[in-house]
Formats: sequence, structure tokens, C-alpha cells
Amino acid sequence: GAGVSQSPRYKVAKRGQDVALRCDPISGHVSLFWYQQALGQGPEFLTYFQNEAQLDKSGLPSDRFFAERPEGSVSTLKIQRTQQEDSAVYLCASSWARGRLPPEKLFFGSGTQLSVL
Amino acid sequence: AQKITQTQPGMFVQEKEAVTLDCTYDTSDQSYGLFWYKQPSSGEMIFLIYQGSYDEQNATEGRYSLNFQKARKSANLVISASQLGDSAMYFCAMREGGNNFNKFYFGSGTKLNVKP
Repeated sequence: GAGVSQSPRYKVAKRGQDVALRCDPISGHVSLFWYQQALGQGPEFLTYFQNEAQLDKSGLPSDRFFAERPEGSVSTLKIQRTQQEDSAVYLCASSWARGRLPPEKLFFGSGTQLSVL
Repeated sequence: AQKITQTQPGMFVQEKEAVTLDCTYDTSDQSYGLFWYKQPSSGEMIFLIYQGSYDEQNATEGRYSLNFQKARKSANLVISASQLGDSAMYFCAMREGGNNFNKFYFGSGTKLNVKP
């Protein structure tokens, strides 16, 4: 596709349920990022992949959060035993750059809005 | 300390007028990039404009310009000739060039309302 695609667009989960959020980045983009955006706030970094390698997962809030990108394209963010505080919009972004400079802009998907009841 | 500070939670502007959205940043890196994104109610973050720390001229993209004042660490977004479709959340973001190059730091955003 032309842009970053995320699914589902909305997800309602009962507390304690596991969820899986999918991101399909722009074809050929090396870098993939997951961000969490709480209501009324700016996005906050969760994790970063370069191809299939997860190079930074320092933003994952707990060990209930797990992300993978096994073939270097599609990525899945999994949240186990969801809690109410996990309710947020989860944004995926990608960029072509593998290098550090110049700072490269990100292309974002529309996000998955997760509501945990 | 906050990496990106946006002090205007909400702004109103009359259609066809110009508006400035404030952004200050904090970094000790010499090389960094500053970005502005627009987020309409649909949720997608739309890239607007980019300013590199070594760029001597202020960036411009159509009706958007970035007022970059390096010594004051500010990167304000100026939207000229506002349109109704400009109503959205606007986020200032920074990407550093050092070991944190993979992180974008976002501000808390400014909600812009354009009045007809």
C-alpha cells in the first residue's frame, strides 16, 4: 500500500484479555517504530526495529508488552493480560533510513485505539 | 526535564489569518532535527515541516514556515492564511542525532481551531 496500515482500527478488550495489534509499514522501509498515545497527550516511544532486529525496547512499559517483526516487514505489538491503563492509541511509524543522520521523518499509520474495560 | 514543551493547549484563529504555534526544546546534542506534525480527528500523524539543527535558513513548506531560533531553543510553527481544514492537533517533535536517534520526542500538542 501507499501508506502505513494498522489494524484493527478499534479494539475493545476486557481486562485480562490478550490483544495483538498489527502494523504494515511502507514497502521497503527499514525502520519501524511503535508509539503509545494517551488521550490528550503526545505520542511516547515504545520500541524500534531495524529490519527484523528489535534494537530498542526501552519504552515498553512492562513485560506484558511484546513486539516482533520476524521478516522485517509486518510488525505485531502484543499486550498480555491487558489493564485499564493500557487504554490508548497505538501508533506505528516507519522510515526508510537505517542511518543516524540526517534525522529522518517518520510516516505514521492511523493508529489502533485500544479500550480496556 | 521535558525534551519538547508546547505551552499552548488550545488556540483559536480566524480563517485567512496567520497563527504561530510555540515549541521549545531541550537537547545537548549538536545535531538534531525538529519536526511538526498535524493530527486531525482521523488520528493519523501528518508530517508538515522539518528543520535541521545545522540549517541556517528557516524551513518553509507552502503555508507552513518554521521560525527557528537556535540560541533560544525554539522552533515555532507559523501557518499563514489559515483554512478551516487546518483545525487539528499540532505536535512539535525532535529527533536527536546521538544514541537516541531512534526516538522521536513529542510535545503535548496544541489544538488549533480555525473559525469561519
